[in-house]
Amino acid sequence: KNQVEQSPQSLIILEGKNCTLQCNYTVSPFSNLRWYKQDTGRGPVSLTIMTFSENTKSNGRYTATLDADTKQSSLHITASQLSDSASYICVVSARGSTLGRLYFGRGTQLTVWP
Amino acid sequence: DTEVTQTPKHLVMGMTNKKSLKCEQHMGHRAMYWYKQKAKKPPELMFVYSYEKLSINESVPSRFSPECPNSSLLNLHLHALQPEDSALYLCASSHPMSDTQYFGPGTRLTVL
Repeated sequence: KNQVEQSPQSLIILEGKNCTLQCNYTVSPFSNLRWYKQDTGRGPVSLTIMTFSENTKSNGRYTATLDADTKQSSLHITASQLSDSASYICVVSARGSTLGRLYFGRGTQLTVWP
Repeated sequence: DTEVTQTPKHLVMGMTNKKSLKCEQHMGHRAMYWYKQKAKKPPELMFVYSYEKLSINESVPSRFSPECPNSSLLNLHLHALQPEDSALYLCASSHPMSDTQYFGPGTRLTVL
């Protein structure tokens, strides 16, 4: 069964600190993995996309890693800011899947305190 | 233009009302999607249109009726909704041969 699991479910950190969010998936055959940021009541915004051959990808203070062998990904946020408070969703797509079929994790709710 | 727009931002309706949600994109994408998202849950796919034709209906109740009048517009017609239909409704678009979906800001729907 194709699944995406994220941990932790929620996380509170102080402004300026770093944090790492985890994503494990069983989606097969794997095509790519995305991390989205979703502010409350808003649509998801793509942060990074990684294919099978990519191990690391950065987007400003966001760095995603992918281990296709263990089917794990992480999102590292450096020097957190108050605006980083949001839900971070791991989304995986399968090769050859039905049009539009994406597998969503439940997200990690990150709260950054001043 | 790399934006998907949705209107209205918020909608409150009674169970006997008829309303419509609208979605628009000008990125030349020929695949468009409707998702329903409950609080603290991931988005759930409802409908997929490809080249203005409905290609996926995830067994959505008939009180939700999608329409794709042209390649840039996607509507979701609502009728006789239930309170449990209250949710954030997200529209997304993509090239049909790509799984990179661009999401709109959503419509927050409340059914009284």
